[in-house]
Amino acid sequence: AQSVTQLGSHVSVSEGALVLLRCNYSSSVPPYLFWYVQYPNQGLQLLLKYTSAATLVKGINGFEAEFKKSETSFHLTKPSAHMSDAAEYFCAVKKPSGTYKYIFGTGTRLKVLA
Amino acid sequence: GAVVSQHPSWVICKSGTSVKIECRSLDFQATTMFWYRQFPKQSLMLMATSNEGSKATYEQGVEKDKFLINHASLTLSTLTVTSAHPEDSSFYICSARDPEVGETQYFGPGTRLLVL
Repeated sequence: AQSVTQLGSHVSVSEGALVLLRCNYSSSVPPYLFWYVQYPNQGLQLLLKYTSAATLVKGINGFEAEFKKSETSFHLTKPSAHMSDAAEYFCAVKKPSGTYKYIFGTGTRLKVLA
Repeated sequence: GAVVSQHPSWVICKSGTSVKIECRSLDFQATTMFWYRQFPKQSLMLMATSNEGSKATYEQGVEKDKFLINHASLTLSTLTVTSAHPEDSSFYICSARDPEVGETQYFGPGTRLLVL
């Protein structure tokens, strides 16, 4: 069975500092992986996705993530945090075939301090 | 990018009434749509997978008679919460898969339901 673990339900960083949000997955086959962002009272917006191509994936708003099979990780990073990055971030995993369903992590709330 | 809308964005209803939520893909045809439920400060819980022209597939523990899903066209899926009760109050989010793009789900803005 697949699963996703997001370490740290809350992360605080100073404006301009590095953002690192952690995501580890468990899957019997190399999965597809996604990062979504959710602003208050809104739906989810796709930040980036890994679908077995390049292991370093660049997304919107300056975010990127690296798929590391040996560590079963897909951590999200951004070199310099902006106040507008404050939101909830969800990592999701999907089998590469046989289903379109996602399994979501529990989410990480990012707070950016002025 | 692909756009998914939901209507209404919020609804307040009395206990015992039914509420219908619409999910539309605005610029693509979605053969598969998904319905999620999100409790405050929690993750998304998949309720069901909606396939155009066929019955929805419900996740374990989700009452199909309580949460009726219809996917009558390639751009519209509806979720009806029947005989709503206060415990059904939640944030309901739909997503749609664009088969031309592949694996990505595009999410609607969500519908907040409050049952009094």
